[in-house]
Amino acid sequence: NAGVMQNPRHLVRRRGQEARLRCSPMKGHSHVYWYRQLPEEGLKFMVYLQKENIIDESGMPKERFSAEFPKEGPSILRIQQVVRGDSAAYFCASSSITGDEAFFGQGTRLTVV
Amino acid sequence: AQSVSQHNHHVILSEAASLELGCNYSYGGTVNLFWYVQYPGQHLQLLLKYFSGDPLVKGIKGFEAEFIKSKFSFNLRKPSVQWSDTAEYFCAASPSSGNTGKLIFGQGTTLQVKP
Repeated sequence: NAGVMQNPRHLVRRRGQEARLRCSPMKGHSHVYWYRQLPEEGLKFMVYLQKENIIDESGMPKERFSAEFPKEGPSILRIQQVVRGDSAAYFCASSSITGDEAFFGQGTRLTVV
Repeated sequence: AQSVSQHNHHVILSEAASLELGCNYSYGGTVNLFWYVQYPGQHLQLLLKYFSGDPLVKGIKGFEAEFIKSKFSFNLRKPSVQWSDTAEYFCAASPSSGNTGKLIFGQGTTLQVKP
């Protein structure tokens, strides 16, 4: 049973480009969470999604960031017009509808040059 | 405001030394508490969790943590560390009534164990 899969593992983007980060939850999991870890900081919650629904986006920056979890396919975290301050590790986690534990992916390290 | 704080940012120990990593939380209600570990190049893994009941929780790889409600603490302990315990450790909390995937994390503690 594959764990939470994130790709790419490393992503380099120039300022102003778009970054797309993908997350495939564990099999049978319908809840996805995105976190961001800035250098020297802990993980910060960004958004919580279920299939085709955003449940809680209280941690998402108001501009340039969006997330989706379509009926088919992985969850996508999209960052438009990236800036240097977006450089961070982005982690995805998933849980089942009744689960008491979130399982994390290996993260995507975004570098904006 | 809800928060989790870890007191030690970087800990260096020799093998066989005892480990205690501090974690304090600030929350409006009852909480679920977690310790995660991230080995170099790997994903976060759950070490142990506390929801209710016995405040002394035993996890994987010989780790344990004690929930002390009066101190708002959930410190992680291991009697004798190994070189393979070198990793980053994160304390996290979520509201008892809410979703366990929406976590508030501490800043993390980097543990380096010297052989």
